[in-house]
This record gives sequence, structure tokens and C-alpha cells, in this order.
Amino acid sequence: AQSVTQLDSQVPVFEEAPVELRCNYSSSVSVYLFWYVQYPNQGLQLLLKYLSGSTLVESINGFEAEFNKSQTSFHLRKPSVHISDTAEYFCAVGPINTGTASKLTFGTGTRLQVTL
Amino acid sequence: DTGVSQNPRHKITKRGQNVTFRCDPISEHNRLYWYRQTLGQGPEFLTYFQNEAQLEKSRLLSDRFSAERPKGSFSTLEIQRTEQGDSAMYLCASSSPRRGPWQETQYFGPGTRLLVL
Repeated sequence: AQSVTQLDSQVPVFEEAPVELRCNYSSSVSVYLFWYVQYPNQGLQLLLKYLSGSTLVESINGFEAEFNKSQTSFHLRKPSVHISDTAEYFCAVGPINTGTASKLTFGTGTRLQVTL
Repeated sequence: DTGVSQNPRHKITKRGQNVTFRCDPISEHNRLYWYRQTLGQGPEFLTYFQNEAQLEKSRLLSDRFSAERPKGSFSTLEIQRTEQGDSAMYLCASSSPRRGPWQETQYFGPGTRLLVL
């Protein structure tokens, strides 16, 4: 079984400031890791993912996340946020090589609120 | 690639009524998932299909819930005798038939928000 902990339910930040959204996971097997973003009254959009290879992954809109196996973390960072980044961010894990499809386990989400 | 679509986007119903939601996955995606998201929580897995076969169901899926994917393309999720506790966002996702880790990348639809009065 897997579990995901997002330590901060809300993160207020000023525009152009850096931000880090924390994600820790627990799993008895190796996992893939994902960050999804959800804008109000919308579904989830894939932001970035770690499947294999380089532990630092980047999205097209300036977010990055680093997989740290020893600390079982996958924190999301952005060096300079924009008002349009205001949304709910979900960290998720899926088990590798289970022989069946990977049902994702999500954290409870972090609300990023960017203000001027 | 038009993305995952879900209908309706919103549904208000009275307790005890039956409701049915539809999900159209990304074309040629052979895996389809249903999740439920309640207010302030992350999505929780309900069930998944590989082609037309329903291969796993969560304990969250009571006997009032039934899901189908008759031709291996679109899927329906029906809730019978709805209860107020069924109020939630119901999300559908699909993933690629390609082998390896790419299969595990799930793309979500916009969801169906259900309110049971």
C-alpha cells in the first residue's frame, strides 16, 4: 500500500517569490511520482512526473520537482510564481510493476495562493 | 487527441434517485479509471478497466455503484438510490496502451460534480 503526505494545506506567497510545495510518500514497493494541478471547478491536469532516469524533472511552465528516494520526497518548486499559478496542487504515487494498472494514491492537496 | 471528456459536468439530484455519468477517454487509451474527490480531499480510486474488462474495484464502490465499459471505449458510472454522502466530484482518467512506465501516466477529464439534496 502507498500513502502520500502533503504537509501544507495552504501556501500563501507573493507574486515573483519562490515557492516549495512539500510531498512525502510511503510505499513498500517502488513508485512512479506525479504532480497534478487543479484549477477551481476543473479536473486534474498533469504538471510533471517522475518515471525513471534523472531525478530532477521539469514542467513547461517553470515548475520542477526532485525525486529523493532516501527521503521519500518529491517536493515541487518554482523560483518565481505568477498570479495564474493560484490553484490546488496534488502529489500522487503509483506502484511500479504490480502486474495490473497503477491506481494512483493522492495526497490531500496544497492550496497555492499567489497575491500581488 | 481531444482529451478525456465527461458528461454531464454538473448533476443535482434528490436523495434516492439514480444517476449515470459518462466518460470518453483519449482515443486508443485502453485503460480507464474512475476516482471520487470529496471537498478538501485528493481523489480516491474507485475502479478501473482494461479494454472492456473491469479488473479492480475499491471498497469505496458499494453495491449501489456500477461501472461499465461495454465496447472498450466510453464508460458509464451509475449510482443507484443516491445518498447525500455520494455528493462529490467524479473523475475519469485514461492511460496509454504503450508498454512500460508510460502506461502509468493518467490523463484526467474535467469531472462530474454531483450534488445530492
